[in-house]
Amino acid sequence: QKEVEQDPGPLSVPEGAIVSLNCTYSNSAFQYFMWYRQYSRKGPELLMYTYSSGNKEDGRFTAQVDKSSKYISLFIRDSQPSDSATYLCATDTGRRALTFGSGTRLQVQP
Amino acid sequence: KAGVTQTPRYLIKTRGQQVTLSCSPISGHRSVSWYQQTPGQGLQFLFEYFSETQRNKGNFPGRFSGRQFSNSRSEMNVSTLELGDSALYLCASSLPGGPNTEAFFGQGTRLTVV
Repeated sequence: QKEVEQDPGPLSVPEGAIVSLNCTYSNSAFQYFMWYRQYSRKGPELLMYTYSSGNKEDGRFTAQVDKSSKYISLFIRDSQPSDSATYLCATDTGRRALTFGSGTRLQVQP
Repeated sequence: KAGVTQTPRYLIKTRGQQVTLSCSPISGHRSVSWYQQTPGQGLQFLFEYFSETQRNKGNFPGRFSGRQFSNSRSEMNVSTLELGDSALYLCASSLPGGPNTEAFFGQGTRLTVV
């Protein structure tokens, strides 16, 4: 079993929809949680970074971490075609050795 | 502010050869990590350097090695290349202070082994 599980999708939504992306993890030592967006043939771009449990909002993006259930979520409001990409969750114990989910492909239809 | 720069962007090598990839971190970032991304295994941690010292290492064979220079630039070397080493190799840099692991990635080097 992988330490971080993520549904690979693809996930297809109409423009303007609310998108929910999720990951689960098994290692209780993970304390840092990140979401990256990766466009085809590009490097991952850091979207959200959170420490421990709670919510963090940045524009149309909201990240949630529930350490009690080992569940990580990213919500995208008013999704745009430019949001079409692969979204990767990542976790770390603080050792700067990120453990990634497999990524979810998102397609936002105009 | 310039981002993480990786060179070269693309590389084709033959089985058995060795290859060296380069990474220049964001100015002021002293921690540099390397990752391998493949369709089958996803993104996997290779190793992390700070102040010219390897602090962490992932589960990869000894053919994969790296180093960091005094200016924080890092190189990664793969010897005796195998077909399975074909991948996107990504470098990430982060600030050294405290446990903050906010990591910023470069565009990667796409290595093809034939």
